Amino acid sequence: DAKTTQPPSMDCAEGRAANLPCNHSTISGNEYVYWYRQIHSQGPQYIIHGLKNNETNEMASLIITEDRKSSTLILPHATLRDTAVYYCIAPARGASKLTFGTGTRLQVTL
Amino acid sequence: NAGVTQTPKFQVLKTGQSMTLQCAQDMNHNSMYWYRQDPGMGLRLIYYSASEGTTDKGEVPNGYNVSRLNKREFSLRLESAAPSQTSVYFCASLTGVSDTQYFGPGTRLTVL
Repeated sequence: DAKTTQPPSMDCAEGRAANLPCNHSTISGNEYVYWYRQIHSQGPQYIIHGLKNNETNEMASLIITEDRKSSTLILPHATLRDTAVYYCIAPARGASKLTFGTGTRLQVTL
Repeated sequence: NAGVTQTPKFQVLKTGQSMTLQCAQDMNHNSMYWYRQDPGMGLRLIYYSASEGTTDKGEVPNGYNVSRLNKREFSLRLESAAPSQTSVYFCASLTGVSDTQYFGPGTRLTVL
């Protein structure tokens, strides 16, 4: 698994875009970047993943730099319900297990 | 399609008691996992099962045993509970298509 580094916490005003960064400078060519989030006391929830192209789904957008050493998760219009811990992980391709770090605690405020 | 289900949701044990946490998934996934999460901490892998009939240790297996009963069910057993095992336990299963994990709602265990 590639090591990932995230800021421990971030704040965002409701209605604004939340941009959560992640560094994964040791990522190898076939390792995907995954984002999960964990809302208080609940099980982690899958958000999005990508290899090298930018990805978008109904929840978020994922921007991966051309050298793949970092990425940014974008929540375009954050709401209070987006307050959660966000995890960026880059498991080895075909890995049978995922390793979660401590993530970024996003606080969305009024 | 219920996804990943876990029972019980809450449990209080006395030191030395035993119990089994149940997990089931209805998504026909091959791989299943047990994690624990202590207050204010990240997830740590206890055991996993890459396929029916196989199990492997994660980073914190001591004090636990697992059984992959069939493709749907993966149970976690505490033979002699200790206060250090007070935690929230999450079960997950992995889709082989996108290597995405889906998590259950968790079991909150307190050992007195």
